[in-house]
Amino acid sequence: GAGVSQTPSNKVTEKGKYVELRCDPISGHTALYWYRQSLGQGPEFLIYFQGTGAADDSGLPNDRFFAVRPEGSVSTLKIQRTERGDSAVYLCASSRRGGSDTQYFGPGTRLTVL
Amino acid sequence: AQSVTQLDSQVPVFEEAPVELRCNYSSSVSVYLFWYVQYPNQGLQLLLKYLSGSTLVESINGFEAEFNKSQTSFHLRKPSVHISDTAEYFCAVTLRSNTGKLIFGQGTTLQVKP
Repeated sequence: GAGVSQTPSNKVTEKGKYVELRCDPISGHTALYWYRQSLGQGPEFLIYFQGTGAADDSGLPNDRFFAVRPEGSVSTLKIQRTERGDSAVYLCASSRRGGSDTQYFGPGTRLTVL
Repeated sequence: AQSVTQLDSQVPVFEEAPVELRCNYSSSVSVYLFWYVQYPNQGLQLLLKYLSGSTLVESINGFEAEFNKSQTSFHLRKPSVHISDTAEYFCAVTLRSNTGKLIFGQGTTLQVKP
């Protein structure tokens, strides 16, 4: 079956611009996670959705970052006023119910802020 | 707060030799433990996980990891590596009482040489 997909695969933008990153989880998975991976580091948690609601957004670094999942499937991560420090690979993962269920990761979106 | 430390950033090894990738974690509460693998140009995949029961867990491709509660470790081992095992390996934990958000180590690059 189809795995987790993310678009675009690469995004280059200029400092100060707004970007949106999209995640399509595995069908039927109620849990969705966003992580950010900087070069040479492990992924860092950003936000967790259970259904349509953001159950844990403790990893969002500041109020420039926001994410939605309006219908409980596709999610969009939104970054306002991008900064060079936002450059990283943004990973999305989904699992059946959350908790200890296996998380399946997408290929990521590589964001470069010039 | 929880943290994960992978003690080696790179591990070079010859084909058919044994290997151990070390992982230690810090947590005041019980955790679930995971190893994820990222092959070149691919997304993160679950390799194995410890939830409960036997402290020794195995993957389908010959890796095993042992949960050691007293030493707060979850080292990954393989008795004989193949060239195809070349990848980056990430150790991760999640709280048993939590949403499933993963806390990752920095990663270990396993380089298998012919």
